[in-house]
Amino acid sequence: QQQVKQSPQSLIVQKGGISIINCAYENTAFDYFPWYQQFPGKGPALLIAIRPDVSEKKEGRFTISFNKSAKQFSLHIMDSQPGDSATYFCAASMLAGTASKLTFGTGTRLQVTL
Amino acid sequence: NAGVMQNPRHLVRRRGQEARLRCSPMKGHSHVYWYRQLPEEGLKFMVYLQKENIIDESGMPKERFSAEFPKEGPSILRIQQVVRGDSAAYFCASSPKGGTEAFFGQGTRLTVV
Repeated sequence: QQQVKQSPQSLIVQKGGISIINCAYENTAFDYFPWYQQFPGKGPALLIAIRPDVSEKKEGRFTISFNKSAKQFSLHIMDSQPGDSATYFCAASMLAGTASKLTFGTGTRLQVTL
Repeated sequence: NAGVMQNPRHLVRRRGQEARLRCSPMKGHSHVYWYRQLPEEGLKFMVYLQKENIIDESGMPKERFSAEFPKEGPSILRIQQVVRGDSAAYFCASSPKGGTEAFFGQGTRLTVV
């Protein structure tokens, strides 16, 4: 019940295209859903996060879509750039506990080609 | 303001030795979290600490692993009698009291030979 399932495992997108990564969770107690970006040899860095009281959040080229009834959320990267090539992790936690006790998905390795 | 500092960045230990991983949280952060990342996998929560207290250790293996966050100095993750299966990247994160964002360090990559 604590799992967060992430797909696809890897993704190749042409420069300028849209990258879409999907996640699904089971635990309805989760109420904080961040996305992290990780470059090789580095630690994860927070990209964007959403709470279940909204269905969409946009920050620049990055958008989270959230479907509470389906227990799914996704990351859309518009106008993908080679610099976006990294591994992306979705995560979930419970704000009532501590938001930083995160359950992570297994990651999506994104490659943006020229 | 320096970020979360972890050292060493790389650590090689022979089977049976002890590994000590250090984490200094960001200035003003009183909450520390340790995560383990196995190759090609996501990060798994291990333990959550505040100064001098272990708050949640539900992700820690029952044996050989321990963590502390003393009143002074960095948080330490200690692995006794390491085995090959302990080879992984260990990440520390910190957050301020009441904060939602976890700030991660660059990790310590432990290799057991």
